[in-house]
Amino acid sequence: EVQLVESGGVVVQPGGSLRLSCAASGFTFGDYTMHWVRQRPGKSLEWVSLFSWDGVTTFYADSVKGRFTISRDNGKNSLFLQMNSLRPEDTALYYCGSEREQYFNYWGQGTLVTVSS
Amino acid sequence: IVMTQSPATLSVSPGERATLSCRASQSVATKLAWYQLKPGQAPRLLIYDASTRATGVPARFSGSGSGTEFTLTINSLQSEDFAVYYCQQYSEWPPREGTFGQGTKLEIK
Repeated sequence: EVQLVESGGVVVQPGGSLRLSCAASGFTFGDYTMHWVRQRPGKSLEWVSLFSWDGVTTFYADSVKGRFTISRDNGKNSLFLQMNSLRPEDTALYYCGSEREQYFNYWGQGTLVTVSS
Repeated sequence: IVMTQSPATLSVSPGERATLSCRASQSVATKLAWYQLKPGQAPRLLIYDASTRATGVPARFSGSGSGTEFTLTINSLQSEDFAVYYCQQYSEWPPREGTFGQGTKLEIK
């Protein structure tokens, strides 16, 4: 059974940092491009970042570029998102998802990040 | 590409049919997926390539359309189908912030 389990979401002050993790199981993690997608309160899904399966390519949404860094450890079947200079508008439920042919075939249940003083 | 879903909220009785729409601001061919979101659960892929059901998705879910107009139809609504549904275009890669529509909340009438 495929499982993606996010963790690391907490309440953090504006300007603070946070590292999210996503633990994968049930599939060959290293074969898949992985993504972070977020959902702000009352809003739609918003793509955040991706890390290609071959470990070569990363992309970021304009809203997080320069502040967030995505990484992965294929040996530990894990995806990470280092979030720096956090803003109140980064408050959201953060999902990790696996990509199959450019759509998201599996998702985790999400981890909640709240940026507030 | 901007994705627009309608209606924002759809009220339908159990056992009836629900029809959800998704429009792209320019052609995405058939590179369109539908997802189901329920509170506290992982989002679930329902349809990809506009009309192909994902593994394990019941046959009452069907997708249609191409280019800029797409439809998700749910026949004989079950209680577990009441959720929020999002469309996603993947004609553009890498994705952008607006790759998803705004969602349609399907609620019990």
